[in-house]
Amino acid sequence: DTAVSQTPKYLVTQMGNDKSIKCEQNLGHDTMYWYKQDSKKFLKIMFSYNNKELIINETVPNRFSPKSPDKAHLNLHINSLELGDSAVYFCASSTGNMAGKNTIYFGEGSWLTVV
Amino acid sequence: GQNIDQPTEMTATEGAIVQINCTYQTSGFNGLFWYQQHAGEAPTFLSYNVLDGLEEKGRFSSFLSRSKGYSYLLLKELQMKDSASYLCAVRDTGGSGYSTLTFGKGTMLLVSP
Repeated sequence: DTAVSQTPKYLVTQMGNDKSIKCEQNLGHDTMYWYKQDSKKFLKIMFSYNNKELIINETVPNRFSPKSPDKAHLNLHINSLELGDSAVYFCASSTGNMAGKNTIYFGEGSWLTVV
Repeated sequence: GQNIDQPTEMTATEGAIVQINCTYQTSGFNGLFWYQQHAGEAPTFLSYNVLDGLEEKGRFSSFLSRSKGYSYLLLKELQMKDSASYLCAVRDTGGSGYSTLTFGKGTMLLVSP
């Protein structure tokens, strides 16, 4: 039933580790996103993929590597985790060009805490 | 780039009316959205404006003036459950032809009894 689902919901890990967050959408959308929401609740876009192709990369460190095996999935892998990576990561999806009232729909978020 | 400004916090009383303002600057404006985000949850879509004027949807209304780069979200008959963060977001069509949604920092609304 869930439109945009991401796992895990909570993740606590040590500095220096590598971790992945998975996202899947069943809305038939062809564009997917990763957003980061920091401790001040500022929601900022990181990446966007359209039909498995990277279309937006907002100056995110190379330690973050998105992968889209197909248009319904967009995973986020983070290498060498740092304390500053602690945040909530939201996956989202939309129709290709978000025309008209079409907007983006968010997953429930993944709470990442780096200790 | 884009610049979206909205107040950080607002307080109001149950049953009252509150207006949350948002100003923006963007080069390829293609729509303005308001989202609601309760603590610990994902943002959810509330309203959409692309033409000037007021869009009404139950207790919530949203207004847009493109020439002024200004929008507001009006919440009537406030209920305790309306306590949440309200995010103003601007859709912009870039040179690639793809649209992106950029969010303001959100306005935390606290409704008290």
